[in-house]
Amino acid sequence: AQSVTQLDSHVSVSEGTPVLLRCNYSSSYSPSLFWYVQHPNKGLQLLLKYTSAATLVKGINGFEAEFKKSETSFHLTKPSAHMSDAAEYFCVVSPYSSASKIIFGSGTRLSIRP
Amino acid sequence: KAGVTQTPRYLIKTRGQQVTLSCSPISGHRSVSWYQQTPGQGLQFLFEYFSETQRNKGNFPGRFSGRQFSNSRSEMNVSTLELGDSALYLCASSVTGDNSPLHFGNGTRLTVT
Repeated sequence: AQSVTQLDSHVSVSEGTPVLLRCNYSSSYSPSLFWYVQHPNKGLQLLLKYTSAATLVKGINGFEAEFKKSETSFHLTKPSAHMSDAAEYFCVVSPYSSASKIIFGSGTRLSIRP
Repeated sequence: KAGVTQTPRYLIKTRGQQVTLSCSPISGHRSVSWYQQTPGQGLQFLFEYFSETQRNKGNFPGRFSGRQFSNSRSEMNVSTLELGDSALYLCASSVTGDNSPLHFGNGTRLTVT
């Protein structure tokens, strides 16, 4: 069975400071892992994807995530937050099968303080 | 390349009515999946279509149905609307649906009064 847990429902950081959004997963085999971002009243946009090629994955807008198998984690980071990063972020786990098996985390709302 | 297009963006319906939502996938994408997003339940899978065939269905009542056309465009229909059907309905397309990234539309916001 697979599951994904986003450890924080809300994270607030100051502009220019680092961002850390935490995600733990559970899977009986090596899954594919994704981070998506959703701005208000918009669909989800793919930030980055891990598929076992490299443990450190670089995404769009300066985000990156590190896959740590020993910790079953896939945390999302960014060195310096920008006001435009304020949004909802979803960690997603997907086994090698159809879109119906994709499991979405509950989401982390990121707020940026000026 | 045009993204996933969902129409309409907003809908207001009355209980008991029915509604049809439309989704045009990215050109070349053959898999279309639908999700319901609500504050309480988060993102929940409705169904997936691939080459005009429903490949998988989530745990929703039979009032929720869908179809896919030969050009990969998809529609979903909800009959006998209930207040609890108020949600953001998201459509996503992917090349094959098997582990390829999902590309989402901006959704249709359905309000049932």
